[in-house]
Amino acid sequence: AQTVTQSQPEMSVQEAETVTLSCTYDTSESNYYLFWYKQPPSRQMILVIRQEAYKQQNATENRFSVNFQKAAKSFSLKISDSQLGDTAMYFCAFMKYNNNDMRFGAGTRLTVKP
Amino acid sequence: DTGVSQNPRHKITKRGQNVTFRCDPISEHNRLYWYRQTLGQGPEFLTYFQNEAQLEKSRLLSDRFSAERPKGSFSTLEIQRTEQGDSAMYLCASSRTGEAGELFFGEGSRLTVL
Repeated sequence: AQTVTQSQPEMSVQEAETVTLSCTYDTSESNYYLFWYKQPPSRQMILVIRQEAYKQQNATENRFSVNFQKAAKSFSLKISDSQLGDTAMYFCAFMKYNNNDMRFGAGTRLTVKP
Repeated sequence: DTGVSQNPRHKITKRGQNVTFRCDPISEHNRLYWYRQTLGQGPEFLTYFQNEAQLEKSRLLSDRFSAERPKGSFSTLEIQRTEQGDSAMYLCASSRTGEAGELFFGEGSRLTVL
């Protein structure tokens, strides 16, 4: 079974600083996707970034980038130039190819302080 | 398009009663998912529809749970004989074929079973 572990229940960062959220996963699959989703307070969850396991290049989306270490089964999210609007729960998620059962971690609550 | 819509947003019921939640996905999305999220945890997959066909069901979806998506449009999730352990946020998400893992979530329906 696939499991996703986020070892940091809560983190905080000063506005304009950089923060890294950790995620590890366990799978025997070789083809899969990894995701980071953001859930702002009282708002719906939105996709931040997606990584396909066969791609060696780390995905980036503006201020958001990942460090994907396939052998170590690690998938961290770096947020640069943190903004107050980045305050949210962040969930790491895993999905096998040709499957629709997305597995989420327990989340990391990030607070950006002014 | 206003995104994924869920109703009701909050439901308080007594143990043993039946409840039904509705999800209206983004109109051009043919895939629809139901997830359950309890406090302090990430979403857990319940079931998945492609058009009107229910293609995957989690073992979390006991016999008391049933989901439908008539005509491949809106979906309903019914819980019969509710138990206190059913108290959770029920999330609906939709996506397009080919956009693996890019789920668009609704704001959820919070169920409280007394």
